[in-house]
Amino acid sequence: GQQVQQSPASLVLQEGENAELQCNFSSTATQLQWFYQSPGGSLVSLLSNPSGTKHTGRLTSTTVTKERRSSLHISSSQTTDSGTYLCAQFNMGYKLTFGTGTSLLVDP
Amino acid sequence: SVLLYQKPNRDICQSGTSLKIQCVADSQVVSMFWYQQFQEQSLMLMATANEGSEATYESGFTKDKFPISRPNLTFSTLTVNNARPGDSSIYFCSSSLGGQDTQYFGPGTRLLVL
Repeated sequence: GQQVQQSPASLVLQEGENAELQCNFSSTATQLQWFYQSPGGSLVSLLSNPSGTKHTGRLTSTTVTKERRSSLHISSSQTTDSGTYLCAQFNMGYKLTFGTGTSLLVDP
Repeated sequence: SVLLYQKPNRDICQSGTSLKIQCVADSQVVSMFWYQQFQEQSLMLMATANEGSEATYESGFTKDKFPISRPNLTFSTLTVNNARPGDSSIYFCSSSLGGQDTQYFGPGTRLLVL
């Protein structure tokens, strides 16, 4: 089946540091999406990025489809960035397969 | 974008009972999806619901245990029948504006079965 693997599993930063999160997927994805899940559980879409590089605010995602990998770069981290970051790929046209997540803790 | 609302936000129920989770979209959407997330784990797709047809279930999920209704283009209900402690998790509904467009998620319903 489809597998999406993320690394690192957890990350601790000091406020102001940058974070680099990785996502590897097991088949050629036609759409890849990054999500943020708050400690309370709510899920927010951050970026959809099937290929190339996309920016929004302090976030930059780079997806290299033929290498089946995507990264999410968070610059100048803030304590409010703490939570879990999930990547998910579309397969079978519309179904999302989620990765295992990276738990980020940003200390003040 | 699509805004999705879920009710209730959380629920506690006794084993053997049934409960309903409602999902409402702020615009008409073709497909609604239901996901289950156990604590410290990732989200798993349970089923896809389109208006006027029976939901399509993923492996491990059945209509008898998790019946889903989709009476119109803005509404869906997930029922958890004969709830067990192993059903304790967060349930999310999601949708998109079409195809592989960005998927949006409701706030989730946190269920605890005693």
